[in-house]
Amino acid sequence: NAGVTQTPKFRVLKTGQSMTLLCAQDMNHEYMYWYRQDPGMGLRLIHYSVGEGTTAKGEVPDGYNVSRLKKQNFLLGLESAAPSQTSVYFCASTGVLYEQYFGPGTRLTVT
Amino acid sequence: AQTVTQSQPEMSVQEAETVTLSCTYDTSENNYYLFWYKQPPSRQMILVIRQEAYKQQNATENRFSVNFQKAAKSFSLKISDSQLGDTAMYFCAFLLPGSQGNLIFGKGTKLSVKP
Repeated sequence: NAGVTQTPKFRVLKTGQSMTLLCAQDMNHEYMYWYRQDPGMGLRLIHYSVGEGTTAKGEVPDGYNVSRLKKQNFLLGLESAAPSQTSVYFCASTGVLYEQYFGPGTRLTVT
Repeated sequence: AQTVTQSQPEMSVQEAETVTLSCTYDTSENNYYLFWYKQPPSRQMILVIRQEAYKQQNATENRFSVNFQKAAKSFSLKISDSQLGDTAMYFCAFLLPGSQGNLIFGKGTKLSVKP
């Protein structure tokens, strides 16, 4: 099993550009999550999904959209990137006993 | 709302010694889960240990153990026989059942193990 994978690993965007981050899991998990990690802030939940076709807002959803068209994939979109969205983005999925399995992260820089 | 506080932004320990990382949380609920995650320089988040609040026995995983004090709302992580590979950020996290798996993280403690 590959576990949780994220594409891409690094990206540099200019302000106003758009992009989509892809998360894939092969563990048949229902729940998936997108977090951002900023220095000194820990991880903060952006959006999450409790199953195929469903999404919900987390703590810091503004400026992001998500979609879960297939159970194994969870996409995070930035429609118009801003420098404040420079961060490391993590995807996770939940298995038994609420253990979250994390992807390797995507480092995004918006200039 | 639940909160998680890690009061030690940075700590260091000599190789082979023992170190304890602190975590406190605030909740009015009785049933919940607590976790410690490790994030080495590779950036990968790794689950270290898990504690269910209804279990009085402290969880242990090899060199890692917790001191769970429910009344005090404290959940510290003890690392015994510290190794260079333990150098990482450590995050404490809180979860309520029924919250759709939404973890609440502390801000982390940066642990450096010195040779």
